Amino acid sequence: AQKVTQAQTEISVVEKEDVTLDCVYETRDTTYYLFWYKQPPSGELVFLIRRNSFDEQNEISGRYSWNFQKSTSSFNFTITASQVVDSAVYFCALSENRDDKIIFGKGTRLHILP
Amino acid sequence: EPEVTQTPSHQVTQMGQEVILRCVPISNHLYFYWYRQILGQKVEFLVSFYNNEISEKSEIFDDQFSVERPDGSNFTLKIRSTKLEDSAMYFCASNLGGGGSYEQYFGPGTRLTVT
Repeated sequence: AQKVTQAQTEISVVEKEDVTLDCVYETRDTTYYLFWYKQPPSGELVFLIRRNSFDEQNEISGRYSWNFQKSTSSFNFTITASQVVDSAVYFCALSENRDDKIIFGKGTRLHILP
Repeated sequence: EPEVTQTPSHQVTQMGQEVILRCVPISNHLYFYWYRQILGQKVEFLVSFYNNEISEKSEIFDDQFSVERPDGSNFTLKIRSTKLEDSAMYFCASNLGGGGSYEQYFGPGTRLTVT
């Protein structure tokens, strides 16, 4: 069965600090997709990244980076030099190739303190 | 950039009333979805829809729920007799192809409040 675990319920860091959000997933499929979404206080879901299971290369996009490790079934997300605008709930999610639905983790609420 | 739109942004209804939440998916997309997020909780899959029929539904999607694509552009979620526990944010999504290889585009959500 599919499952996404985000063990960190809430994190607070001071602005400019780096912060890593953890994500561990479970799936029986060999082909699957992993996602991160940001949900700001306004409530919409903002797509950040999608990776497929065959691409274990780490990705960097500005201050954001993602570390995908199949050996530990993890897909962690790091924000470098955090800013107050990064304050939001971040969801890690999983989709298996055989169906369409996206399974979300419970989310990590990130507070960036000025 | 094309986007998924949802109306209304906020709907307040009394328990027992029927509500219809509306979505306009991206025009060339073929697969449509509804998700639900109870306040403070995770986003949960409700239903997927393709070729004018439901392709998958979750346990949450019971007989009180139905979906329809009444015309070439709208995709609706109907709740027949709302309960207090139906209060949530409802997200519509669409994508071009099936399977996880295509990105799902999410709408901004409709916040449903049942009183």
